[in-house]
Amino acid sequence: AQKVTQAQTEISVVEKEDVTLDCVYETRDTTYYLFWYKQPPSGELVFLIRRNSFDEQNEISGRYSWNFQKSTSSFNFTITASQVVDSAVYFCALSEHYNTDKLIFGTGTRLQVFP
Amino acid sequence: GAVVSQHPSRVICKSGTSVKIECRSLDFQATTMFWYRQFPKQSLMLMATSNEGSKATYEQGVEKDKFLINHASLTLSTLTVTSAHPEDSSFYICSATTVGGSNSYNSPLHFGNGTRLTVT
Repeated sequence: AQKVTQAQTEISVVEKEDVTLDCVYETRDTTYYLFWYKQPPSGELVFLIRRNSFDEQNEISGRYSWNFQKSTSSFNFTITASQVVDSAVYFCALSEHYNTDKLIFGTGTRLQVFP
Repeated sequence: GAVVSQHPSRVICKSGTSVKIECRSLDFQATTMFWYRQFPKQSLMLMATSNEGSKATYEQGVEKDKFLINHASLTLSTLTVTSAHPEDSSFYICSATTVGGSNSYNSPLHFGNGTRLTVT
């Protein structure tokens, strides 16, 4: 069975702090995709990243970076120098090999960044 | 810009009535659409997979007679919550993809903006 675990329910930081959101996944597939989405209070899902299982290179996009470690089945997300606008719920998700757009979501981590 | 439009964004209805939610792909043909439900402060749970021209595939525990899905065209899927009850109050969100999946056109899977349903 496929499963995504985001153990951190809620994280609070002060602006400019770095914060890492953890994501651990389970799958029997050798080919799969991992995603991160941001959900601000308005509710829409904002795509952040998609990574396939064969690409273990870490990625950096501005203040965002992702660490994919297949050996530990983790796909962690770090926000550097956090800002108030980063406050949102962040979801990690996993997709099936044969249906790559059918996502299994983690329970989400609510990030609150205080000024 | 947004490539998946969902309407309405918010709806309040009385218990026992039916509510229809639309999910439209704006600039591509969506062969498959997915419907998710999110209860307050919880994760998104897949309800069903909607394929154009065929019956939807429902996830375990989702009542297909209560949540009617119609995907009659390549740009529109509808979810109708029939005989709504307060426990159906939730955030419903759709996503859409095309033949071969989003990875075939190297574009992220897009979600609609969601519909917040409140049943009184």
